[in-house]
Amino acid sequence: QLQLQESGPGLVKPSETLSLTCTVSGGSVSSGSYFWSWIRQPPGKGLEWIGHIYYSGSNNYNPYLKSRVTLSVDSSKNQFSLKLGSVTAADTAVYYCARREHYYDSSGYYEEYFHHWGQGTLVTVSS
Amino acid sequence: QSVLTQPPSVSGAPGQRVTISCTGSSSNIGAGFHVHWYQQLPGTAPKLLIYGNINRPSGVPDRFSGSKSGTSASLAITGLQPEDEADYYCQSYDRSLSGSVFGGGTKLTVL
Repeated sequence: QLQLQESGPGLVKPSETLSLTCTVSGGSVSSGSYFWSWIRQPPGKGLEWIGHIYYSGSNNYNPYLKSRVTLSVDSSKNQFSLKLGSVTAADTAVYYCARREHYYDSSGYYEEYFHHWGQGTLVTVSS
Repeated sequence: QSVLTQPPSVSGAPGQRVTISCTGSSSNIGAGFHVHWYQQLPGTAPKLLIYGNINRPSGVPDRFSGSKSGTSASLAITGLQPEDEADYYCQSYDRSLSGSVFGGGTKLTVL
């Protein structure tokens, strides 16, 4: 059974870099069938897609966060990671890692959704 | 402000049927991209409820169903149960963003 677990500091100072790691068990980040994603949820608010990465390093980021985000994969540890730079209080959120599923629909459109999620980790940006 | 629009809240009595709408635009739902739904129980991670507009993952009761028309989609829950009380989110692909977008979420209260 696939499991994902986020880890990292729960408190980050403004202007510094938020760093989180997602450890995958019951599956491999090197599987060619999936992308690995980060999604966040500010307290009391909705979900925001941050970005995703393939085991080869190919990635796609939310354009609103792109200038501050870096995703990476460590296949030897079966992990993938998020770095978000120059954080402010607006980056305070529960951060989730997830496995992204994808398929082509009958019209040939590329579709994606998130089937497996980590439990999430709260990161607070405060001095 | 979320790209996909959902009502902030809906409610219903046990046994009743409720629907939750999700409205997008010509760059996501209206462009033909599929809609997926998630249930988030208090203090937990979202759980996939419906994918590809109408499909239920294994283990999701058939009380939950999805539909899509034009630039909108709907999640219907029949035979409401107390354990259905949760936040529900829709999600689709947006060609302008070249990535996923979510609705703002709808809080379901079972009266």
